[in-house]
Amino acid sequence: LAKTTQPISMDSYEGQEVNITCSHNNIATNDYITWYQQFPSQGPRFIIQGYKTKVTNEVASLFIPADRKSSTLSLPRVSLSDTAVYYCLVGDMGNTGRRALTFGSGTRLQVQP
Amino acid sequence: DTAVSQTPKYLVTQMGNDKSIKCEQNLGHDTMYWYKQDSKKFLKIMFSYNNKELIINETVPNRFSPKSPDKAHLNLHINSLELGDSAVYFCASSQVGLTYGYTFGSGTRLTVV
Repeated sequence: LAKTTQPISMDSYEGQEVNITCSHNNIATNDYITWYQQFPSQGPRFIIQGYKTKVTNEVASLFIPADRKSSTLSLPRVSLSDTAVYYCLVGDMGNTGRRALTFGSGTRLQVQP
Repeated sequence: DTAVSQTPKYLVTQMGNDKSIKCEQNLGHDTMYWYKQDSKKFLKIMFSYNNKELIINETVPNRFSPKSPDKAHLNLHINSLELGDSAVYFCASSQVGLTYGYTFGSGTRLTVV
């Protein structure tokens, strides 16, 4: 399974754009890149998923370069409620379920007023 | 309408006891998982079931036994509880072939005293 590396923590202020980069040098051809958000006392929540180039939804954008060895989660204009732990995961979503997603240590984002 | 529900939310018990955690999903997914999140917040896969068949069984003491009566339910039974079993246990589900990732329950905080 592809190992991921991301910063342990980041600080930001309300209204700023936050970019969290994740390295996954040994990503496999069939692997997708997925980001989750976890608030205290809650389960992780799916944010966005991509395979290559750029993906955007109502919450975030995901930038993936051509070599796919890294990805960047972009949160536009963060608010205090975006304070959470963000996990980058790499895995094959199209298989028979024989490989479960592996979570790393995540990035703890603290948004200040 | 909760997609993945776990019961109980909190569980405090004495060492040596046997306890069960229940999980149900109403998403029609064919794969369900149990994850353990320890005090350092690492999320580790324990088990995975696909259509009631056990397909992932990580290095977990055999005191932990998952049971899936149907593809919408995955229960976790723990025998002879130990202090080190204290953690938050998350149930999750996914559908093979879909790309939107896992849906997690809100977790069961188990405290062994």
